[in-house]
Parts: sequence; C-alpha cells; structure tokens
Amino acid sequence: EVQLVETGGGLVQPGRSLKLSCVASGFTFNNYWMSWTRQAPGKGLEWVASITNSGGSTYYPDSVKGRFTISRDNAQNTLYLQMNSLRSEDTATYYCTRDITIAAIGYYFDYWGQGVMVTVSS
Amino acid sequence: DIQMTQSPTSLAASVGESVTITCLASEDIYGSLVWYQQKPGKSPQLLIYGATILEDGIPSRFSGSGSDTQYSLKINSLQPEDFASYYCQNGLSTPWTFGGGTKLELK
Repeated sequence: EVQLVETGGGLVQPGRSLKLSCVASGFTFNNYWMSWTRQAPGKGLEWVASITNSGGSTYYPDSVKGRFTISRDNAQNTLYLQMNSLRSEDTATYYCTRDITIAAIGYYFDYWGQGVMVTVSS
Repeated sequence: DIQMTQSPTSLAASVGESVTITCLASEDIYGSLVWYQQKPGKSPQLLIYGATILEDGIPSRFSGSGSDTQYSLKINSLQPEDFASYYCQNGLSTPWTFGGGTKLELK
C-alpha cells in the first residue's frame, strides 16, 4: 500500500524558514518523480514544486521560485521542502504527492499524503 | 502559463441525478487533463487522467470527455459519497495548474 506521511508543519513568523518532510512507503521511491502541492484554507489547489526521480532536476512556479527548495533522499525514501522567506500567503496545507508522467497522456498526481498545515503569522 | 477555468463553481443536485462539470483551458492541452475529487477534511483523490481514463478503483459512473481546450467530468446516478469538491488540472506543461474547483452539494 502506497503511503505518504508529511511532517514538519506548524506556526512560523513571516520571513522565517521551515522544512517539511514526507516519508514514502509501499513503492519503489527512486522510480518516481515527486511533488508538493498546497491548499490555502478554503481555497483551491496550487502546485508548489516537483523533482525528478534522481533529484537531478527541480521545477517551481514563479510564486515560490527562489524561496522554496524541493529535495529528496532516495536512501531514506524521503522528500523535503525547504521554505525560506515565508509570507502570510504561504499559509496552507501542504501535500506530498507521487507523480506519474506518461507520453501523450500527461502529468498527474496519483497518490497524496494526508497533508501538513503551515501557518505563517506574527 | 495555462489557465484552467472550471464551471460551475458550485452545484446542487440530488441522489440519483446526473451532473456535468466543465473545465476550459486557456490553450490546447492535447487531452492532458486530470480530474480529482476532494472530500471535506481529506486529501484529493485521482479520478481521471488523460481526459478519459478512469483511475483503478473509481466507479464507472464517473466519466471524462473533451479535447483541445474543453473538457467535462460527468457523474451519473449520484451517490451520497459523491458530494465533494472536484478539481481539474493541466497535465501538459509546467506550471501544473488547477481549476478553481466545483463544490457539489446535496440539494
């Protein structure tokens, strides 16, 4: 059974940093791209970052580029999201996802963790 | 960036009815369209990918259609567990963008 368990959330002041972790099990972690997607309270979904299976390439939307860093430790089956210079608009539940990419089909998130809440407030 | 526009934003229906949710992409996404369901307090769940391919374990009352920029999710014979929020996602190119969501409520 695929499981993704996020930890590391909490209350943090604006401008500070926080690092999220996601421990994966039930599949061969180093075969899959992985991502983080977030959801502000009462709002929709926003993709935050993706990383290739080897960790050699990373992708971000403009809203977090230069502030957030996605990384992975394939030996520990763990995905990370380092979040720096946090802003109030980063307040959200952050989900870790396992990703699928298939030519002519597209890119999608087939498994989601339970999510971890990050609150940025003074 | 590819913008995804869902309609309606909310929808009220009764058990047994059929409903359709639409998703409009700002440019041709060549069928790389994904649908998710999210129940209150839960994580999103994959329903359909490639515009029409039902994920394993998803009931056949769910179906997807569309091409180019226009896509639809149809739910036949609504069941009580189907009342949830639904999101479409651009699966063609980064940034992976989502529609604003459709909240399906019990009438």
